[in-house]
Amino acid sequence: DIQMTQSPSFLSASVGDRVTINCKASQNINRYLNWYQQKLGEAPKLLIYNANSLQTGIPSRFSGSGSGTDFTLTISSLQPEDVATYFCLQHNSWPWTFGGGTKLELK
Amino acid sequence: EVQLVESGGGLVQPGRSLKLSCLASGFTFSNYGMNWIRQAPGKGLEWVASISSSSSYIYYADTVKGRFTISRDNAKNTLYLQMTSLRSEDTALYYCARLAMDAWGQGASVTVSS
Repeated sequence: DIQMTQSPSFLSASVGDRVTINCKASQNINRYLNWYQQKLGEAPKLLIYNANSLQTGIPSRFSGSGSGTDFTLTISSLQPEDVATYFCLQHNSWPWTFGGGTKLELK
Repeated sequence: EVQLVESGGGLVQPGRSLKLSCLASGFTFSNYGMNWIRQAPGKGLEWVASISSSSSYIYYADTVKGRFTISRDNAKNTLYLQMTSLRSEDTALYYCARLAMDAWGQGASVTVSS
């Protein structure tokens, strides 16, 4: 199975900060990586698919990069509504696997 | 508007069975593969099972293989998860989602406890 190592587990940042979250795959997953945002008590929401494609309706301050084994989610200017937990998902091969999550809070 | 509504969750004793349903609307259900994903209380997400649009391809996580069965009825726009031999570690919120995981339901809570 492909292991997804996400870092950091916890992140505290100020409004306006540039925030980066990383996911590392245990083997090559090409660009088959998605990023999700999950707010408290809500279902996850797709932000980025296939490493760098912005899902419809998602603000442009969110972006994704990477390929192979190393991937990054960037929030260019943190907003209060971005407080949430973020997960990566590899869908290169079954079983699909999620990263452990990054809890983002405001400083 | 795409909607996925799970039902069938509840409290069940270890070793017993439970069947979840997910009613889809707002899109052509028969054209989409579907997933079940779960989230244990306070934990991360775990992919559980996937099924292709015509049920030709089915995949399971090792943690549920042999105990859970994913199925669908395209005429009823409904996805199912039959869960048997339930264990305490199956306690979670179970989400259905389209295969691309671009649309999710709100989840059905399953608690396995005596």
